[in-house]
Amino acid sequence: DTAVSQTPKYLVTQMGNDKSIKCEQNLGHDTMYWYKQDSKKFLKIMFSYNNKELIINETVPNRFSPKSPDKAHLNLHINSLELGDSAVYFCASSPYGDRGRGYTFGSGTRLTVV
Amino acid sequence: EDQVTQSPEALRLQEGESSSLNCSYTVSGLRGLFWYRQDPGKGPEFLFTLYSAGEEKEKERLKATLTKKESFLHITAPKPEDSATYLCAVQEIRHGSGNTGKLIFGQGTTLQVKP
Repeated sequence: DTAVSQTPKYLVTQMGNDKSIKCEQNLGHDTMYWYKQDSKKFLKIMFSYNNKELIINETVPNRFSPKSPDKAHLNLHINSLELGDSAVYFCASSPYGDRGRGYTFGSGTRLTVV
Repeated sequence: EDQVTQSPEALRLQEGESSSLNCSYTVSGLRGLFWYRQDPGKGPEFLFTLYSAGEEKEKERLKATLTKKESFLHITAPKPEDSATYLCAVQEIRHGSGNTGKLIFGQGTTLQVKP
């Protein structure tokens, strides 16, 4: 059983398009995150939801909109894609307030904007 | 500003050649320091959490240590299967706003172990 699953794994699209990435976790965790990993492997937080409530919204363009229909799902919708959006996007989850293990990450979605 | 810096960026070792990776951090209050391993095409995989200066944790050939300003990941007699990118991250104590779980990552050290 995959703990944190993301779809799709690869996404190639043209500039200006709108795309979504889906994430689901079956760990029973309360908190979910979206991180962006650039070409230098630097991971930076974008959003965090705790039990469907937005708790972290870093300086991310308004073209990025997260949605959490329930605490097991956190999707990321991106409007008007730009070349600079090309990166690997990771979903992760953790128990709220539990610092013991940090996160459980998904396997990532490699987004390429052409 | 909270910051995490890892060195070196890349490290090549011969099988059996022990070495250490460094993670320097600056946070107002440390809630925890995390080490992750990331293989190509995969998400980071949890290795260790360290909470306070002087703490040490071990797993197979890996040993993580923590001081007030940095953490080291010691690799003893590495094998080719230890080749990966090792990521360090810190979680800060947030007063008033509660713990959001936010991790601040370093840029990673890519380790290559040759047979």
